[in-house]
Amino acid sequence: KAGVTQTPRYLIKTRGQQVTLSCSPISGHRSVSWYQQTPGQGLQFLFEYFSETQRNKGNFPGRFSGRQFSNSRSEMNVSTLELGDSALYLCASSLVPSPNEQFFGPGTRLTVL
Amino acid sequence: AQSVTQPDIHITVSEGASLELRCNYSYGATPYLFWYVQSPGQGLQLLLKYFSGDTLVQGIKGFEAEFKRSQSSFNLRKPSVHWSDAAEYFCAVGAGNRDDKIIFGKGTRLHILP
Repeated sequence: KAGVTQTPRYLIKTRGQQVTLSCSPISGHRSVSWYQQTPGQGLQFLFEYFSETQRNKGNFPGRFSGRQFSNSRSEMNVSTLELGDSALYLCASSLVPSPNEQFFGPGTRLTVL
Repeated sequence: AQSVTQPDIHITVSEGASLELRCNYSYGATPYLFWYVQSPGQGLQLLLKYFSGDTLVQGIKGFEAEFKRSQSSFNLRKPSVHWSDAAEYFCAVGAGNRDDKIIFGKGTRLHILP
C-alpha cells in the first residue's frame, strides 16, 4: 500500500507570492491533517479535513487555507507569503478523524526569500 | 488547554545503553497518547500509542512506554539503543472524545555515541 505522498518536495518562493501544496493520503484514509514544522515552534497544527469538511483549525492567520476533494486528496494554500512561512509542511492521513493514529508524508520544504 | 512537555531538548546515550525520554501532558480528560519518531529529512513514524487498557504499551523497534495518570506522564523507554535510533522523538496527546486535534511536544533529539 502506497504511503502518504506530498508534492512538491521542495519549493522556493519570494515574499508576497502564493503557494499551493498537495497531499495524497493512503488509499482508504478519509482524514487529512496539515502541520507546520519549524525549528523554533516545533510541529504546529494547521487544519484537519474529513470527508471534504474542515473539522479543526489551528491558530494560523487566514492566509493559510485548505480543502479536501472527494477522493480525499487535500491541498493547502498560503497566500501573500512571508519570510516566517519558511518551514516543513507535513501532511498526515488517518482512517478516521483525530485523535487517531496518523501516517505522515515526507513533507514539503518551503523556503520564502 | 491541552499541552505536551518534553523537558529534554537533546539527549546523548551510548550505543547499547538504556534510554528513557520524558513526556508530560496537561489534559483534563482521558488522553490519547502517542510517540512518533522523525529521522532527518523524513516525515514522522508512529512508534506506539495508548488509548486505554494496559498502561504499559509495546511499540515498534523495541520501544515501550508507560502511561502514569498520577504523574501525567507517558515516558518512552528502550532497554538497549542502536546507532540507528538517532533521530528526533515527539510525544503527542489528543482528546479522548474524538473531537479534537492532536498536540505535539517540541521534540527530543537523541544522539548515540559509538
